[in-house]
Amino acid sequence: ETGVTQSPTHLIKTRGQQVTLRCSSQSGHNTVSWYQQALGQGPQFIFQYYREEENGRGNFPPRFSGLQFPNYSSELNVNALELDDSALYLCASSLTKGGGYTFGSGTRLTVV
Amino acid sequence: KQEVTQIPAALSVPEGENLVLNCSFTDSAIYNLQWFRQDPGKGLTSLLLIQSSQREQTSGRLNASLDKSSGRSTLYIAASQPGDSATYLCAALVGDSSYKLIFGSGTRLLVRP
Repeated sequence: ETGVTQSPTHLIKTRGQQVTLRCSSQSGHNTVSWYQQALGQGPQFIFQYYREEENGRGNFPPRFSGLQFPNYSSELNVNALELDDSALYLCASSLTKGGGYTFGSGTRLTVV
Repeated sequence: KQEVTQIPAALSVPEGENLVLNCSFTDSAIYNLQWFRQDPGKGLTSLLLIQSSQREQTSGRLNASLDKSSGRSTLYIAASQPGDSATYLCAALVGDSSYKLIFGSGTRLLVRP
């Protein structure tokens, strides 16, 4: 097992720009989820992908979108960045839809 | 709507103490409950996973219990060490066709040498 890896580790963007965050899941993990964690709070669910299709979404606007690829990698795209989008973005994968989740180290996004 | 609460928000103890972290959830319809550790600015490390049909799980000095009927889980840390200092998060897995983790806000633990 290689774990869950995320890139980049840190990113600074300007308000209004677009950003793409990347995640490489553990081999065989068909389920990948993305979470946003603001400072001092617990992570909040953004969306989940299962076998390359979105199958669950949290309370986030459509400018948050994602993709999952056959090689167990995935992307989180955020358009029209706002200052409040500054947070730690976490990717998590699971072997089964209802199983335990393994998290990556996260991407720290700062919007200025 | 599922809500997860963790008490206390922060805890400071001397090295060697046994301690209990509390997690409560409002809806007993969970698939599992997972405890995580998070070091400052880092990702989440899974500590223990308790399936809804289980009552407890143990790993080394850690023991987690689950009582679905009362909506509670506890994480017991025996003989605490300074290296245990971190934020501990509990998360309940909920959903039907899709699943998501609902997190508490965490307990920040400081173990003083």
